[in-house]
Amino acid sequence: AQRVTQPEKLLSVFKGAPVELKCNYSYSGSPELFWYVQYSRQRLQLLLRHISRESIKGFTADLNKGETSFHLKKPFAQEEDSAMYYCALTGTASKLTFGTGTRLQVTL
Amino acid sequence: GAVVSQHPSWVICKSGTSVKIECRSLDFQATTMFWYRQFPKQSLMLMATSNEGSKATYEQGVEKDKFLINHASLTLSTLTVTSAHPEDSSFYICSATASRGNTGELFFGEGSRLTVL
Repeated sequence: AQRVTQPEKLLSVFKGAPVELKCNYSYSGSPELFWYVQYSRQRLQLLLRHISRESIKGFTADLNKGETSFHLKKPFAQEEDSAMYYCALTGTASKLTFGTGTRLQVTL
Repeated sequence: GAVVSQHPSWVICKSGTSVKIECRSLDFQATTMFWYRQFPKQSLMLMATSNEGSKATYEQGVEKDKFLINHASLTLSTLTVTSAHPEDSSFYICSATASRGNTGELFFGEGSRLTVL
C-alpha cells in the first residue's frame, strides 16, 4: 500500500524565516513524488515534482529514499506563500495518494 | 496552464434525490479524469479513475452503484450521486490529465460542495 504522511497540520513562520514542510511516504517500489499547493479560494495546483529537480517560487524538495522523505523547503518565507500544501505520491499503480496537508501561515 | 471546470460549485439537495456534478476540461483533451472526495480538514481520497470511453475504475470501498461516473467524451466526465443521503455530504473534486493513468500533470477543478438535507 502507498501512504503519505504530513505530520504537521499547521506551520506558522515569520516572514523571512526558513520553511520546511515535512513529508514522509511509504511505498515499496520507486515512487514519483509531488507537492501541490492550494491558495485561499483557489483550486489545487502542482507546485513541483521530484523528477523535475527544479525550484518553483523559491521552493525545492529533494527525494531522500533512505529516509523515505520529500520535504519541501524555502530559505525565506514570503506572505504570499501562505497556503495549504499537499504532498502526493504515485507509484506503478498510477494512483495519486495525497497526504493530509499542511497549512503554512506566514506572518509579519 | 490547462483549465478544469466543475459545475455546480455547490448544491443542496433533499435526501433520496440524485445529484449530478460535471467536470470539464476547457482547453485540452482529458484522456483520464479522477474523482476525489474530501472531508473537512482531511485529505483528498481518490474515489475512481475514468478513462474516456471505458468504465470507471473504483477504489476499494466506493460503491459504484452509488457514485455513477461517466466519461463519454474527452472533455467531460460526470459524477452522479444516486439516492443521496446526509452522509454523502462532502466536497467532491475532479482532476484531469492529458495522459493515460497518472503519469502526466494533474489539473484540478475548483470542487463541488454537496450538502444533503
